[in-house]
Amino acid sequence: GAVVSQHPSWVICKSGTSVKIECRSLDFQATTMFWYRQFPKQSLMLMATSNEGSKATYEQGVEKDKFLINHASLTLSTLTVTSAHPEDSSFYICSARSASSYNEQFFGPGTRLTVL
Amino acid sequence: QKEVEQDPGPLSVPEGAIVSLNCTYSNSAFQYFMWYRQYSRKGPELLMYTYSSGNKEDGRFTAQVDKSSKYISLFIRDSQPSDSATYLCAMLAGGTSYGKLTFGQGTILTVHP
Repeated sequence: GAVVSQHPSWVICKSGTSVKIECRSLDFQATTMFWYRQFPKQSLMLMATSNEGSKATYEQGVEKDKFLINHASLTLSTLTVTSAHPEDSSFYICSARSASSYNEQFFGPGTRLTVL
Repeated sequence: QKEVEQDPGPLSVPEGAIVSLNCTYSNSAFQYFMWYRQYSRKGPELLMYTYSSGNKEDGRFTAQVDKSSKYISLFIRDSQPSDSATYLCAMLAGGTSYGKLTFGQGTILTVHP
């Protein structure tokens, strides 16, 4: 089946630093990748959608200068949380979709970010 | 009103019970319906996806869609402790939604031996 990996699986950083999270599709080409955020005991909230080679589309209320998304290749997308603050602490999950599977998104295992 | 409503539970059942999980929605544009299972501190895993109204069965899981009532269900037969997880319904509109999923809040299920 389609496999999506994320790195790192968890990260702890100091307030004010930037953190980069990688999302990779391991056995398929991901034309579209999605980034979600999930707070404890809450559902997934879509942050942005990125298509390979183009700028990401951010959901309302998500600061694009704070959450930088790059989808440079068909197998890699990165999310950089710039100048992280404690309120950015959350579980960040990516998903990927290939051109042939419009209806199916394959999720990564998630990255737990803790900002001190 | 949220586009997708799902009772967060928690739901606790004995091993072997039949579990019924439900979601309602308000957006008529939703055409595709999914159920995901999420274990603690893990990403969601796709269990079932359906397009049309009716039932779809896969092993112990049955997904049911009633578009006229805007209501979807997931049934788990012969539930096992390993089924303990959070179950999320998700919906996808057709057309130019670019695959944007809308999730329910998730129902926390515990199956005890």
